[in-house]
Amino acid sequence: GQQVMQIPQYQHVQEGEDFTTYCNSSTTLSNIQWYKQRPGGHPVFLIQLVKSGEVKKQKRLTFQFGEAKKNSSLHITATQTTDVGTYFCAGSSGGYQKVTFGTGTKLQVIP
Amino acid sequence: DTGVSQNPRHKITKRGQNVTFRCDPISEHNRLYWYRQTLGQGPEFLTYFQNEAQLEKSRLLSDRFSAERPKGSFSTLEIQRTEQGDSAMYLCASSLTSGGFRNEQFFGPGTRLTVL
Repeated sequence: GQQVMQIPQYQHVQEGEDFTTYCNSSTTLSNIQWYKQRPGGHPVFLIQLVKSGEVKKQKRLTFQFGEAKKNSSLHITATQTTDVGTYFCAGSSGGYQKVTFGTGTKLQVIP
Repeated sequence: DTGVSQNPRHKITKRGQNVTFRCDPISEHNRLYWYRQTLGQGPEFLTYFQNEAQLEKSRLLSDRFSAERPKGSFSTLEIQRTEQGDSAMYLCASSLTSGGFRNEQFFGPGTRLTVL
């Protein structure tokens, strides 16, 4: 079955430093979504990428979808304490039904 | 509040008992998903509905699990003869799909199940 892995599993950064998490799928994806889950909370949708090589920006967040549509990345510039949480990628292939979530990257920002 | 709601928020039960959870999606959303999440892991897909039809069910789901969405609105997830390994957060999400293009999923707060 489809597997979606993320690295790193954990990341501690000093406030103001940049952060990147990488997502890799065992199969080619139709699209990929990114979610953020705060401690004790539920996943909250951030963005969806559909096209090969697509890059989208949301303020300090930059999302990228690989050319082969098997990998993606999320980069946060100048982290803030409000960025703390676990970031999940979630992909689907061969249609838009089942969504497979990645293993997640837990971000801790040290003030 | 027009978000996804789940009840109960917490459930403690003894091994062997049956439990049922309810999810009320955002009213106009036609898709409803159930996930299970354990500590330190990502949400694991269980099943999903398009309106009242259950279109896919994870192979990881044993026969003890059943889900319904009888009128295409709220959904229930039942676990029969609970086991300690069923202890987890059960998340419900809904989305509005149009033209086959899947849109974002809105998650509920989850039901935390503890099986003693």
